[in-house]
Amino acid sequence: SYELTQPPSVSVSPGQTARITCSGDALPKRYAYWYQQKSGQAPVLVIYEDSKRPSGIPERFSGSSSGTKATLTISGAQVEDEADYYCFSTESIGYHRGVFGGGTKVTVL
Amino acid sequence: QVTLRESGPALVKPTQTLTLTCTFSGFSLSTSGMCVSWIRQPPGKALEWLARIDWSDDKYYSTSLKTRLTISKDTSKNQVVLTMTNMDPEDTATYFCARAPRGGMDVWGQGTTVTVSS
Repeated sequence: SYELTQPPSVSVSPGQTARITCSGDALPKRYAYWYQQKSGQAPVLVIYEDSKRPSGIPERFSGSSSGTKATLTISGAQVEDEADYYCFSTESIGYHRGVFGGGTKVTVL
Repeated sequence: QVTLRESGPALVKPTQTLTLTCTFSGFSLSTSGMCVSWIRQPPGKALEWLARIDWSDDKYYSTSLKTRLTISKDTSKNQVVLTMTNMDPEDTATYFCARAPRGGMDVWGQGTTVTVSS
């Protein structure tokens, strides 16, 4: 079955840049979405269709995709950005089943 | 304002069938391109995509769970229903529904916790 691979954890100092990667064979043909989930809360969409930012999401969140890898970048990370981050995509063209990456715990300290 | 709310039993017994309802407002599942997905998250674990139903009534299921899942919609009531048969303690999780325009989820419900135990 199709898989998306994320690093389990990323640590960053406040004000520095955090980058979270998501690898998947179908990413050259399928969009990546990124979700932030804080403890005990529902996930929140922070990036959709590889690089678009929903209204209300701070500009420090950005996304990119190249080849089989999508990347979420937090530029100037804040303490409040500490959370789990999940990438999401769908199987290759013609299939519509969704899949999440295993999640990345971002620690800001 | 788009909102979604999950409802269903908090506790089910092993082998029973779980029925969850997602009641939404602020959008129509009759609109071309609109979809609703179900996702779950076991305690301390990652998100898992379960199923999706489209405005066209097309339905898609997780490969690993497709024999146990059924998704349906009632457009007039703004509801999407997910049933999962043969529940097991490993199905203990928080279950979320989410609006999914063109397949990617943008607005999520708060989730409902389901425990499977005898």
